[in-house]
Amino acid sequence: KAGVTQTPRYLIKTRGQQVTLSCSPISGHRSVSWYQQTPGQGLQFLFEYFSETQRNKGNFPGRFSGRQFSNSRSEMNVSTLELGDSALYLCASSSGQGARGYTFGSGTRLTVV
Amino acid sequence: QKEVEQNSGPLSVPEGAIASLNCTYSDRGSQSFFWYRQYSGKSPELIMSIYSNGDKEDGRFTAQLNKASQYVSLLIRDSQPSDSATYLCAVILGGAGSYQLTFGKGTKLSVIP
Repeated sequence: KAGVTQTPRYLIKTRGQQVTLSCSPISGHRSVSWYQQTPGQGLQFLFEYFSETQRNKGNFPGRFSGRQFSNSRSEMNVSTLELGDSALYLCASSSGQGARGYTFGSGTRLTVV
Repeated sequence: QKEVEQNSGPLSVPEGAIASLNCTYSDRGSQSFFWYRQYSGKSPELIMSIYSNGDKEDGRFTAQLNKASQYVSLLIRDSQPSDSATYLCAVILGGAGSYQLTFGKGTKLSVIP
């Protein structure tokens, strides 16, 4: 059974640019959550999607957005990149009820210069 | 503010000893609790889930939950150097109908040979 796939693995962007990250969940999983991980703040929740609907949103500015497609694949977009957006972005998938835990992808390492 | 708190460590234990990791959470309505292990440079890996008060054992790992005290712990028996990692406590805060998995900042465990 394939795991959670995130692409790309690494990205280098310039301040002011925008970036789109992709996440393909485990087959049959309908929930995708996104997290930002930095050394100082740990894992911070960005948003969660289920069946193309955003169910939960964390405390991030509107520059961070996401969407989910009918095949459960999800994308996350960050516009007007800032240096502080440099982080590991992780997505996690679950069946949708949450109670059985979430499986993480390998992450996308974003560096903003 | 709904939170999950962990002692950041580092926690150092000798090989063969019991490592005890602790976590408290702020929302009394929370129902689902997880422990993830994260090796340096890798993504979090689910190692234990617990939903009811009491103990849950899986091999060398025991998770303990006390909802009245809003406290979750993880015991690792016969600690091995390969257990050296950061351990993340995660809680679905907010009870039924909530799907936001919130993480503590993690406790770094070092097992000394």
